[in-house]
Amino acid sequence: EPEVTQTPSHQVTQMGQEVILRCVPISNHLYFYWYRQILGQKVEFLVSFYNNEISEKSEIFDDQFSVERPDGSNFTLKIRSTKLEDSAMYFCASSSRTAEQYFGPGTRLTVT
Amino acid sequence: LAKTTQPISMDSYEGQEVNITCSHNNIATNDYITWYQQFPSQGPRFIIQGYKTKVTNEVASLFIPADRKSSTLSLPRVSLSDTAVYYCLVGDFTGNQFYFGTGTSLTVIP
Repeated sequence: EPEVTQTPSHQVTQMGQEVILRCVPISNHLYFYWYRQILGQKVEFLVSFYNNEISEKSEIFDDQFSVERPDGSNFTLKIRSTKLEDSAMYFCASSSRTAEQYFGPGTRLTVT
Repeated sequence: LAKTTQPISMDSYEGQEVNITCSHNNIATNDYITWYQQFPSQGPRFIIQGYKTKVTNEVASLFIPADRKSSTLSLPRVSLSDTAVYYCLVGDFTGNQFYFGTGTSLTVIP
């Protein structure tokens, strides 16, 4: 069964550093998403991406965040200058022309 | 954007049927209703999706009344491994944002 993969599984970084979280969506999917989940809290939508551009973004997705699909298979989330409050689990998801999203296993980001 | 409301938590004994209801009063015509399951430290996992009436698959049933302002996820004969958080989401097929509510934390008791 096809699945969404994410790397790394755990990333530790110092405050102010840039991080790039990587995702490989399911190959025939058209829509891509990033979510985050702070420990013990709900899953929060960050951004959706379709046809090589951002479809929608939440208020969390400020200028420190960017997304890219550099090569037709990877989908990346960049945080330009990490803050302590960026520590969370980051989930990538993809979907075809249905509302059923397939989620990856997540990357745990720890900012120290 | 349709907001959803669910009970914060529920407990059930093993082998019981569990029904979790979600309210989505401002659901739009194009919106579908999708339920996800999440275990700790894992990504949400699709359970079931529907537009109206009743949908059933191998793990759950989804009941949607005619006005579509609510939906009920039914899990037959739950087991301990069904202990998880269950989220109801409402959205359309255009790949736009899905907002997860607080979800319902289901605890299955032996």
